[in-house]
Amino acid sequence: ILNVEQSPQSLHVQEGDSTNFTCSFPSSNFYALHWYRWETAKSPEALFVMTLNGDEKKKGRISATLNTKEGYSYLYIKGSQPEDSATYLCAFSGRDDKIIFGKGTRLHILP
Amino acid sequence: EPEVTQTPSHQVTQMGQEVILRCVPISNHLYFYWYRQILGQKVEFLVSFYNNEISEKSEIFDDQFSVERPDGSNFTLKIRSTKLEDSAMYFCASSHASPSAGSSYEQYFGPGTRLTVT
Repeated sequence: ILNVEQSPQSLHVQEGDSTNFTCSFPSSNFYALHWYRWETAKSPEALFVMTLNGDEKKKGRISATLNTKEGYSYLYIKGSQPEDSATYLCAFSGRDDKIIFGKGTRLHILP
Repeated sequence: EPEVTQTPSHQVTQMGQEVILRCVPISNHLYFYWYRQILGQKVEFLVSFYNNEISEKSEIFDDQFSVERPDGSNFTLKIRSTKLEDSAMYFCASSHASPSAGSSYEQYFGPGTRLTVT
């Protein structure tokens, strides 16, 4: 059974601090790794799609790296702001049309 | 900016009743998906749809479920005879491409329909 694990489950970070969290996924049959940002009462918003081993993507203060050989991705947030409070989901897609989601990391930014 | 829309935002139904959840994907997207999230659990893939047919479905998507693209804009999920355990948030998503098309893609999610089966 394919499984996607995210850690930690929940994280409290002081405003202004930087943070990161992990997504681990099956390394076989890999096609793409997705990161989504999901605020309460809204729908998941796509942050990054990464397909190549060693890929690194950046959007403002948020960046992500990908290691397909060992099956993990890191999401980094630099200089956390209150608006970064959300659940960050990662999802694995293989060479078919299924997507498997992790349970998410719930990030709380403390003022 | 184009977005995926879903109606209704909340549907309450009695066990055994049929429900139809509606989605309008982004207009130039070709691939459509349904996901659900039972409260407190992971987002789960249900089905993907392309070129007027199902391209992939999960074990959850049994004979009680069906999808349809009745016209050029709507994409519907029908649950024939709802059960209590079908209570969940149902998300529709669309994308321009898919992994099997051999190109990178992003999925855009709708706001979800909260289905409550009583």
